[in-house]
Amino acid sequence: NAGVTQTPKFQVLKTGQSMTLQCAQDMNHEYMSWYRQDPGMGLRLIHYSVGAGITDQGEVPNGYNVSRSTTEDFPLRLLSAAPSQTSVYFCASSYSGVQETQYFGPGTRLLVL
Amino acid sequence: AQSVTQLGSHVSVSEGALVLLRCNYSSSVPPYLFWYVQYPNQGLQLLLKYTRGATLVKGINGFEAEFKKSETSFHLTKPSAHMSDAAEYFCAVMGFYNQGGKLIFGQGTELSVKP
Repeated sequence: NAGVTQTPKFQVLKTGQSMTLQCAQDMNHEYMSWYRQDPGMGLRLIHYSVGAGITDQGEVPNGYNVSRSTTEDFPLRLLSAAPSQTSVYFCASSYSGVQETQYFGPGTRLLVL
Repeated sequence: AQSVTQLGSHVSVSEGALVLLRCNYSSSVPPYLFWYVQYPNQGLQLLLKYTRGATLVKGINGFEAEFKKSETSFHLTKPSAHMSDAAEYFCAVMGFYNQGGKLIFGQGTELSVKP
């Protein structure tokens, strides 16, 4: 199993540009989440999904969109990038159940100029 | 609302010394608690988790943590630090009634190990 994969590994955007961060998992996990990591702030939840076709907002959803058309994929869209979105983005997945372990991807480092 | 506080953004120990990373949580009901480790330029890896049952939880690489309800704490320890333990460590909480696998993370503690 490849686990959780993310592409790209690194991206530079200009303010106002849009892009999609890709996330895929091959473990047949129902739950998938997107977090952003900023220095001194830990990881903060952006959006999450409890299954195909079902998404909801996390702690910091503004400026980001998600959809979940398949169990495997959970892309994160930045509609109009802002410098405040410069961060490292992690995708995670898990089986359903509150005590289940979340498995994290390697991250995407995004720089918005 | 749930929250997690990690005391100390940086901890430095000598090789062979005790590692103690502190984590306190705030939750209306006893939550599920996790410790993750992040090595440089990598994703997060689960060290251990508390999901009810035994309050002393053993994890990978010789780490363990004890859930203390009276102190609302879940401190991470390792008897003898190794150079390879240098990394950033995150404590996280998930509510008992949580849906969607939503983790609330602390701000992280960077562990340095001196030779």
